[in-house]
Amino acid sequence: GEDVEQSLFLSVREGDSSVINCTYTDSSSTYLYWYKQEPGAGLQLLTYIFSNMDMKQDQRLTVLLNKKDKHLSLRIADTQTGDSAIYFCAESMNRDDKIIFGKGTRLHILP
Amino acid sequence: EPEVTQTPSHQVTQMGQEVILRCVPISNHLYFYWYRQILGQKVEFLVSFYNNEISEKSEIFDDQFSVERPDGSNFTLKIRSTKLEDSAMYFCASSEGSGPQHFGDGTRLSIL
Repeated sequence: GEDVEQSLFLSVREGDSSVINCTYTDSSSTYLYWYKQEPGAGLQLLTYIFSNMDMKQDQRLTVLLNKKDKHLSLRIADTQTGDSAIYFCAESMNRDDKIIFGKGTRLHILP
Repeated sequence: EPEVTQTPSHQVTQMGQEVILRCVPISNHLYFYWYRQILGQKVEFLVSFYNNEISEKSEIFDDQFSVERPDGSNFTLKIRSTKLEDSAMYFCASSEGSGPQHFGDGTRLSIL
């Protein structure tokens, strides 16, 4: 069935780049998302990529998609303390379909 | 920027009681969703709603659950005969269909 896997924790020094990785199983996934959840808050859509794209850049965020390996990554350049949160990788077949989430990667920023 | 709003932010209910979670989706959105996140676990899809009817529901969404759009703005999730295992964060989301889903801040439901 559909599944999204990601590592649970990542620690990065402030100012360095963070790279959060994700793999998914459903080759028919058309849309791949990154959501951010700060403590006590909801799910904030950070960015998303269509499966016919390899890369998408938005300011400090770069998303890379390897469709052959079903691997998605999120790179955050110049990581700041405000980036400390849980980052969820997610996928859906179509834009109005249910979203399948990973368990989330907790990003911890070291001073 | 328009946002999805959910009320209440925290609901405490006795086991066996009924609870209604409320959501106001973004005004021009046509697709509505409920998800839940049990503490420490994944965010799980419950149900999607379009054109005044359920378009898809998960195995979790059994007869205990129902959804309604009682007027032009609200979208509610009703849970009857609540159980301890219904304790979770419940997220409402909406989309216009041509864009991604936008989520509310969630309602934390605690069943005692």
